[in-house]
Formats: sequence, C-alpha cells, structure tokens
Amino acid sequence: QKEVEQNSGPLSVPEGAIASLNCTYSDRGSQSFFWYRQYSGKSPELIMFIYSNGDKEDGRFTAQLNKASQYVSLLIRDSQPSDSATYLCAASRNNAGNMLTFGGGTRLMVKP
Amino acid sequence: SQTIHQWPATLVQPVGSPLSLECTVEGTSNPNLYWYRQAAGRGLQLLFYSVGIGQISSEVPQNLSASRPQDRQFILSSKKLLLSDSGFYLCAWSLGLPNTEAFFGQGTRLTVV
Repeated sequence: QKEVEQNSGPLSVPEGAIASLNCTYSDRGSQSFFWYRQYSGKSPELIMFIYSNGDKEDGRFTAQLNKASQYVSLLIRDSQPSDSATYLCAASRNNAGNMLTFGGGTRLMVKP
Repeated sequence: SQTIHQWPATLVQPVGSPLSLECTVEGTSNPNLYWYRQAAGRGLQLLFYSVGIGQISSEVPQNLSASRPQDRQFILSSKKLLLSDSGFYLCAWSLGLPNTEAFFGQGTRLTVV
C-alpha cells in the first residue's frame, strides 16, 4: 500500500490562474511534508516544506497541512507556463534515517 | 555551501554487466545519504539510505547493493544488471535532523539493453 498518494494528472490550468495540488498520506507517524518540483529529465528541486497544521506561504506558493485529515496541498498563485512540471509530495517520520517517502507526482500544465 | 555530485549522467549497459554509480557530497559532514530510483512516469522509490560510514539500510530487496566507504561518498552497485534495473537513479543527502529536506544530485539515467 502506497503511503503517499497524489493524482497523477495532468492538471491543466490557464496562465494566471491558481493551481491546486493535493496529497494524502496514510502514515500517521509522518511529521514533515515536502513539495518538490521536477522538470522532465531533471532531478527534483525543493519548493517548500511544512510541519505544522495550517498554511505556510512563500512567494506565489502556499502549502497547507491538515494532520487530522492526513492531507497536504500546494497552491500556486498566478501560474506561469514555467510552472509546468511534475510536483512531488513527500512525507518524513523524522526518525533516525529521516527518509522521505514520495507520492507518484502530479503533472501540472499551465497553458498560455 | 553544500553541493552534491553524481555521475555519470547517462549510462547504457548490457544485461548481465556490472554497475557502479558514484555520488559525493561537499560542504557538510556526516550527512544522511540516499539512493532513489524513478521508473518512467512514476514517483521516487527509496532503495538505500545511510546514516554513517559503513551503515547501509536497504528498503527494497533487489539486484542492487550500496556502500559508503567514506563520510561523503555513496556508491550504488550491481554485479549483473537486469532489464528491470533501467530507470532514473537519484542520489540525495540531508542533514538528518527533524524537519529538514533532502537535496538531490543531477541523476543518472540508466538503460539496460
């Protein structure tokens, strides 16, 4: 059973719109959550992380965490064509290995 | 600043041949090190992680092995490659502290033919 789930997409939004990416996790021991962006053929780059319930904003990006619902989301405001990529959600238990468990990713397409 | 180097960027190997992928980290000490594999259009699967020299934990039983001969060096190996070993291999490091992210190398695209 996969521990982190994402809709594979593609999610298509027009330029300037808000893109909403969602992620659920099954391991209640997960404590930290990360959003990575991955362009085709490239390695993942960290966008932001969150570990407290509520919202966390960084520029055009807002991460939301609801531990009771085991739900994480990423909002991208004023979406640009350069935001077109696959977005990976990851969870960590903050244990000795501090490993990240990744979802399958959501492909986002921002159309001009 | 910290940097991670992974090579080669691409590799084409015949079935049954050996494999050695190397990853090194600069600018930090005693990092946690990870090997992930990503199949085409899929998420990242953790293969191995290491919290120190000589300490390797395997997450998935497979045709691969890992070693950490030095603090900032992580090696992924195979004695005989299978077709199913094809994929995008990513090395990553983290500080190993709570609420800290992992940073990825550029990746190695391995095609077994």
